[in-house]
Amino acid sequence: GAGVSQSPSNKVTEKGKDVELRCDPISGHTALYWYRQSLGQGLEFLIYFQGNSAPDKSGLPSDRFSAERTGGSVSTLTIQRTQQEDSAVYLCASSLRGTIGPEQFFGPGTRLTVL
Amino acid sequence: GENVEQHPSTLSVQEGDSAVIKCTYSDSASNYFPWYKQELGKRPQLIIDIRSNVGEKKDQRIAVTLNKTAKHFSLHITETQPEDSAVYFCAAPGDYGGSQGNLIFGKGTKLSVKP
Repeated sequence: GAGVSQSPSNKVTEKGKDVELRCDPISGHTALYWYRQSLGQGLEFLIYFQGNSAPDKSGLPSDRFSAERTGGSVSTLTIQRTQQEDSAVYLCASSLRGTIGPEQFFGPGTRLTVL
Repeated sequence: GENVEQHPSTLSVQEGDSAVIKCTYSDSASNYFPWYKQELGKRPQLIIDIRSNVGEKKDQRIAVTLNKTAKHFSLHITETQPEDSAVYFCAAPGDYGGSQGNLIFGKGTKLSVKP
């Protein structure tokens, strides 16, 4: 079946502009995660959606970052007033709900460059 | 919250040698420890995981060991091959010992296998 997809694959924007990044999880997966990966760095957790529960926003670096998940499926990560330090690859992952550690399936990522 | 430390950040071995990557975690309630492999330009993929009720798990040339008392776990790759070259990430549950699927990742180890 289809894996996790993300769009766009690349996004170049000017400092101060808003951007929207999209994630389509695997069908039937109730959990969705956003991570940020800066060049040569690890996976930084941003936000996590699980079913209809309130999202865990504890990883968002500032109030310029927000995310929505509509209908329990597609998610959009929005970055307002982008800064150069926001440049990174933004990865989305999804998983089945499990009692212990469901495997997270990652999308290909969106490479964001803020000029 | 959970804190995951990973060492070394880079590792270079000769083909055929073994490689060991170590991680420590802070939350004694954590009960699930996956390892993800990310090849250059690709998305992270799960390669092996271990639950807290076992001390070791093997899958062909890779194995993971867990020491709950010391709160550390390690990835062992034997008979390394050039295709093992990648960045490896360890992870631990970010909340409530793993009941919700959220993961905190280490910063990664870049493994280079020289032919």
